[in-house]
Amino acid sequence: KQEVTQIPAALSVPEGENLVLNCSFTDSAIYNLQWFRQDPGKGLTSLLLIQSSQREQTSGRLNASLDKSSGRSTLYIAASQPGDSATYLCAVRWTGNQFYFGTGTSLTVIP
Amino acid sequence: GAVVSQHPSWVICKSGTSVKIECRSLDFQATTMFWYRQFPKQSLMLMATSNEGSKATYEQGVEKDKFLINHASLTLSTLTVTSAHPEDSSFYICSAPPGGSTDQPQHFGDGTRLSIL
Repeated sequence: KQEVTQIPAALSVPEGENLVLNCSFTDSAIYNLQWFRQDPGKGLTSLLLIQSSQREQTSGRLNASLDKSSGRSTLYIAASQPGDSATYLCAVRWTGNQFYFGTGTSLTVIP
Repeated sequence: GAVVSQHPSWVICKSGTSVKIECRSLDFQATTMFWYRQFPKQSLMLMATSNEGSKATYEQGVEKDKFLINHASLTLSTLTVTSAHPEDSSFYICSAPPGGSTDQPQHFGDGTRLSIL
């Protein structure tokens, strides 16, 4: 069964800290993996997309890594800011069109 | 960047009402769009894949007669929740990969919060 798990479910850090969000998946034969941000009551904002052949992607203060063999991806956020507070979702695509979403990590950055 | 617009953002209506939700790609053509549902504190779950000019593909357990999908143009897909009941209350969200390619980042609408009284 293909599942995506995100740990921790919630995280609270002081402003300025670097942090890592974790995503694990059950089947290493993924097609790609995408990280999203969701603000309360809002839709999803795409952050980074990693294809199965890639090891990492970077955008500004964000860096996402992919280790297929261990079934893991991490999202690294450098120098966190209060505006980073949101729920971060990891979504994995195997074969077909479906993305399987984790339940997310709710991040709070304290000023 | 690619933008997906979803309307309405919030619906409150009585049980038995049918509700239509629109999903538009504003600056790209989307031959494929996806409809998801998210219950509180749960993951997004794919309901169906909307294909322009052909029938939608529904995920297991999703009633196609209850959730009608129409993808009549390359920029518009609609989801109609027919005879909605309180258990249909949820957050519905659509997404589309630009040009229909799922190798590109998928872009999501802002979602529709549906509350059935």
